[in-house]
Amino acid sequence: DTAVSQTPKYLVTQMGNDKSIKCEQNLGHDTMYWYKQDSKKFLKIMFSYNNKELIINETVPNRFSPKSPDKAHLNLHINSLELGDSAVYFCASSHAGDYGYTFGSGTRLTVV
Amino acid sequence: DQQVKQNSPSLSVQEGRISILNCDYTNSMFDYFLWYKKYPAEGPTFLISISSIKDKNEDGRFTVFLNKSAKHLSLHIVPSQPGDSAVYFCAAIGYSSASKIIFGSGTRLSIRP
Repeated sequence: DTAVSQTPKYLVTQMGNDKSIKCEQNLGHDTMYWYKQDSKKFLKIMFSYNNKELIINETVPNRFSPKSPDKAHLNLHINSLELGDSAVYFCASSHAGDYGYTFGSGTRLTVV
Repeated sequence: DQQVKQNSPSLSVQEGRISILNCDYTNSMFDYFLWYKKYPAEGPTFLISISSIKDKNEDGRFTVFLNKSAKHLSLHIVPSQPGDSAVYFCAAIGYSSASKIIFGSGTRLSIRP
């Protein structure tokens, strides 16, 4: 029973398209995150939600919009995809103030 | 601006020996440090952490050492086992980072028989 699940695992799409990545956690955590692993392998925070409320919003393009319908879900919608958006996107969750995050297995996005 | 640096992209260690993974940080306001382990096609998994008020934390085969004056931490794995082959990420957090975990770029550890 997967604790943090992301779908899809792989996503190949053309420039200009709009796509969504879904994330669900069944750990009862109240805080969820989106991280991006770039080509240099750094994991960088994009967004963080606590109980459906946005608490961290890094400097990412407005084309990226997170949505948290409830505290168990945090989806990431990306408009007008660009080549530079190609990366692995990780969802994670934790209890507030707990830094031992549980990560999903990642979504590899390739924009062609 | 890489606040957390792992200067060795890879490390190969013989099974049974000690593996030492190093990490340097630049921000003196970091007060909590973590190590994550990542297998291919999986997300990172939390391994061990240390608060800045301590200089050592041990959990089984894993020990993390913190040298605040040098802004350096290291992860020791002893004895190294084949299942330890993975990418290890060093991470830091503090008031100055607004509760955001800052990750390094990872070190790929390979345990050879």
